[in-house]
Amino acid sequence: SQQGEEDPQALSIQEGENATMNCSYKTSINNLQWYRQNSGRGLVHLILIRSNEREKHSGRLRVTLDTSKKSSSLLITASRAADTASYFCATARYSSASKIIFGSGTRLSIRP
Amino acid sequence: DTEVTQTPKHLVMGMTNKKSLKCEQHMGHRAMYWYKQKAKKPPELMFVYSYEKLSINESVPSRFSPECPNSSLLNLHLHALQPEDSALYLCASSQTDRTYEQYFGPGTRLTVT
Repeated sequence: SQQGEEDPQALSIQEGENATMNCSYKTSINNLQWYRQNSGRGLVHLILIRSNEREKHSGRLRVTLDTSKKSSSLLITASRAADTASYFCATARYSSASKIIFGSGTRLSIRP
Repeated sequence: DTEVTQTPKHLVMGMTNKKSLKCEQHMGHRAMYWYKQKAKKPPELMFVYSYEKLSINESVPSRFSPECPNSSLLNLHLHALQPEDSALYLCASSQTDRTYEQYFGPGTRLTVT
């Protein structure tokens, strides 16, 4: 069963705008990751945030984690056409690092 | 080299065929994974190999048979598949099975007719 649920399922914004995606999960985690997948391709690791961290930045990406609410958000600032992709959160428990479970994903479309 | 390669890119097979998917990485990673992804769904873990030994099998039907001949190669042997097995099959690797960041290959698009 899926650990994470993401919303929105789909998001369409104008180029240059910011995009925010949210992920909720059900059980205690060691860390949470975000991956990007271009249509029909493999996944690319974007960022990992540990359970004792609240916020992390990487370039135009900002990730927050609220373990009390079991939720995370991914903010992409100043979006570009190349950001069009599906974005998945993925969680891992302390007991099983290799068994990451992906959320349902958000399909992001950037309009030129 | 930070690349995971997969062959073939596309595969069409009948329900009585036997075929194999191949995955290769030269990053020195000791954990390798097979995932299955249906359209508009997240990847679902099938198998995990750690140091060439099968460590996780997510109750995958026996018509899927994984093999890890060495630390760089991972195969998935397919036999007597069903049309519902049509999907994108993704291979991934990580430094060890205690490392969280996984590197994915581009996938093999499998169609079972």
